[in-house]
Amino acid sequence: DSGVTQTPKHLITATGQRVTLRCSPRSGDLSVYWYQQSLDQGLQFLIQYYNGEERAKGNILERFSAQQFPDLHSELNLSSLELGDSALYFCASSVAVQGADTEAFFGQGTRLTVV
Amino acid sequence: KNEVEQSPQNLTAQEGEFITINCSYSVGISALHWLQQHPGGGIVSLFMLSSGKKKHGRLIATINIQEKHSSLHITASHPRDSAVYICAVLAYTGNQFYFGTGTSLTVIP
Repeated sequence: DSGVTQTPKHLITATGQRVTLRCSPRSGDLSVYWYQQSLDQGLQFLIQYYNGEERAKGNILERFSAQQFPDLHSELNLSSLELGDSALYFCASSVAVQGADTEAFFGQGTRLTVV
Repeated sequence: KNEVEQSPQNLTAQEGEFITINCSYSVGISALHWLQQHPGGGIVSLFMLSSGKKKHGRLIATINIQEKHSSLHITASHPRDSAVYICAVLAYTGNQFYFGTGTSLTVIP
């Protein structure tokens, strides 16, 4: 158990809908990272938050947004869902901003299926 | 164009064999991670390194910053090592992660 909790574990929804994925980081970790893993694209970095503020942005679509709340949990919002958004969405947390000495811990992921 | 290239893509080994997985990258990095993903999907961070070599049990990771290359070695491989191994780099520019496509390892008893 990494200490990072993601909910829900599985989610099935229809195209055009909106969903919210939740991530609770390890106790004491200030950084949260979101990743998408799809069959054709592999793992992709989406976005990072540190202590409530956005720190880095990757290949995140405009239909997607995220935020980190004062209690440090984070939510990833996916809207106007398309079939191609079906993927595993991972959250990871670390004590600080990633660098050479900062380890990241991954949640078990949320499997999103858009039908 | 992939910023991170891994080889081989697939690897089958007999139990007890020494295994090497390679990772080459094209961007300037502040750190490189080796991740392990089991069939159930969960991801575990194995190593994080910016220079030299690290060892955890039967796993060894090395990195050559000048050559932009890292290797993950597994000594005395075991069927429970069967997983996908992913190389990830944290780029200086944009503080962004780039991932390799993974190496699928199967260790046969």
